[in-house]
Amino acid sequence: DAGVTQSPTHLIKTRGQQVTLRCSPKSGHDTVSWYQQALGQGPQFIFQYYEEEERQRGNFPDRFSGHQFPNYSSELNVNALLLGDSALYLCASSRDRDYGYTFGSGTRLTVV
Amino acid sequence: GQQLNQSPQSMFIQEGEDVSMNCTSSSIFNTWLWYKQEPGEGPVLLIALYKAGELTSNGRLTAQFGITRKDSFLNISASIPSDVGIYFCAGQPRSGGSQGNLIFGKGTKLSVKP
Repeated sequence: DAGVTQSPTHLIKTRGQQVTLRCSPKSGHDTVSWYQQALGQGPQFIFQYYEEEERQRGNFPDRFSGHQFPNYSSELNVNALLLGDSALYLCASSRDRDYGYTFGSGTRLTVV
Repeated sequence: GQQLNQSPQSMFIQEGEDVSMNCTSSSIFNTWLWYKQEPGEGPVLLIALYKAGELTSNGRLTAQFGITRKDSFLNISASIPSDVGIYFCAGQPRSGGSQGNLIFGKGTKLSVKP
């Protein structure tokens, strides 16, 4: 049973560019949350998707947007990249109303 | 915004020793979770706590949900080299709406000397 799959694993982008990160949830999970983890810090909640809609959002600017597809997979898009967006982006999936989050291994984004 | 204060930031211990780390918050949390993260991996859930005062064990790990709902601790008994990693506490704030918004501490980095 595959866990949470994220792609790509590493990415280097230039300031001002746009990036799309992808996540396939664990089998049986219908809820996807995205977190940003800066070096030496704990993960910070970006937003959560359920039934193809953004259900809750953390304190991140509108440059961060997402999408959930009918098969529950999800994308995180970041526009107009800043150097400060460099971080590990983690996707976590769960069954609705369940705290049994399963995290993926993350996408390491470097903005130069 | 809401923050979790996790301590200590790092620990260097001898194999076989017991470990204790804790998290405190200025606001009430509905749920406390403890995760472990190893290099190149995402956090892995160790223990979840849902009720104030709850004490839960998972092998050599024991965690408690503080009765004030503002703190939690994690103990590891008889540490072994594979316990090395960064341990994070995370909580679901009472005012957090749906359960998506987990607040994480900054982590406790554990090093174990054989």
